[in-house]
Amino acid sequence: DTEVTQTPKHLVMGMTNKKSLKCEQHMGHRAMYWYKQKAKKPPELMFVYSYEKLSINESVPSRFSPECPNSSLLNLHLHALQPEDSALYLCASSLGQYTGELFFGEGSRLTVL
Amino acid sequence: GIQVEQSPPDLILQEGANSTLRCNFSDSVNNLQWFHQNPWGQLINLFYIPSGTKQNGRLSATTVATERYSLLYISSSQTTDSGVYFCAVESQGSSYKLIFGSGTRLLVRP
Repeated sequence: DTEVTQTPKHLVMGMTNKKSLKCEQHMGHRAMYWYKQKAKKPPELMFVYSYEKLSINESVPSRFSPECPNSSLLNLHLHALQPEDSALYLCASSLGQYTGELFFGEGSRLTVL
Repeated sequence: GIQVEQSPPDLILQEGANSTLRCNFSDSVNNLQWFHQNPWGQLINLFYIPSGTKQNGRLSATTVATERYSLLYISSSQTTDSGVYFCAVESQGSSYKLIFGSGTRLLVRP
């Protein structure tokens, strides 16, 4: 089973809303990632958790707040977003000791009005 | 940081044709992967190939790490091969930072 599950698939929110994106994997992976992808662009790394600790924050604005409650779950809390934050948000996981092979979920398509 | 260049940026093929996609990178790498992004946005692993050659059905890939490039071969293309192909690399000393190239957009016509 090589599956990463993301919810919701689609999300529309206003600039004053608070929402969360969720990601779950049951492959025993210990590294989890958030990427952001704008239309016709490649994915860009946002955050990496390794063994439930935040390892990488690519200077992401504080209106994006990641959380890793346990080794299977990864959340991205969204607050006071801007319309330019509209994008496809992709979660991925990998084995953990080193990057290795990344497995991606289907993504959450976010629209900020 | 490491630079990743993919070529060609766009490619149109007739069904049944073969093609070669290229990925050049500017530094030594620990990790190189090829992905296919389908029209719904999902990134699907094709190959994990920091060096050497691998084959999977009609697809094969070769990475020549010493010369800093990788090639993805698609043979007997099908309409379902359409989408965007990304090469992603991690430079040595940069754990967990997989950086994507700009992609090759492939359209296979019936």
